[in-house]
Amino acid sequence: GESVGLHLPTLSVQEGDNSIINCAYSNSASDYFIWYKQESGKGPQFIIDIRSNMDKRQGQRVTVLLNKTVKHLSLQIAATQPGDSAVYFCAENPSGAGSYQLTFGKGTKLSVIP
Amino acid sequence: GAVVSQHPSWVICKSGTSVKIECRSLDFQATTMFWYRQFPKQSLMLMATSNEGSKATYEQGVEKDKFLINHASLTLSTLTVTSAHPEDSSFYICSARDILVRETQYFGPGTRLLVL
Repeated sequence: GESVGLHLPTLSVQEGDNSIINCAYSNSASDYFIWYKQESGKGPQFIIDIRSNMDKRQGQRVTVLLNKTVKHLSLQIAATQPGDSAVYFCAENPSGAGSYQLTFGKGTKLSVIP
Repeated sequence: GAVVSQHPSWVICKSGTSVKIECRSLDFQATTMFWYRQFPKQSLMLMATSNEGSKATYEQGVEKDKFLINHASLTLSTLTVTSAHPEDSSFYICSARDILVRETQYFGPGTRLLVL
């Protein structure tokens, strides 16, 4: 069932503005990171990934920034659209080349105001 | 590419019955599949890692006799919730790792289970 008191951080953005979603990761040994988008009632959808030997990677309308010094990851969405409304999760691969398991962050809910 | 399907998408069952959920990678081979559980407004919780041709590895606190996992081929893994109870009601999601793409996991659409 649902845990009492748990609330997803929410980011509300005007349509057409840029969105920045932040994530702090825990393991300094993680070498691979992914951003996923999850719409209500659906499975997570891959957005973009980045390896630890990079600090920036761009996709279509999205950019991921990695700051290993402070263990921080961010997802920037340009010209945010109503279809971008969803929960966004960052995930890290904490064990390097071993098990390929991912550890997920708590998620941020993005609400786009038309 | 990289499509993962799950079946059924939702299921309602009586307490005490067993429910099987299938996870298939449709256009790639997956030596490893993962099973997650997600409660409302929460993140994904890894239940187990399923490796083709070998026993699944369960996370701490997940009962392996309760959640049976079989990964019989490179494109199919199944999760069976045995003797389901209302507290097992949840959103179950599988993911598959492409042999060729290393760490990236592609997720299925999820299965919503409601146990009455």
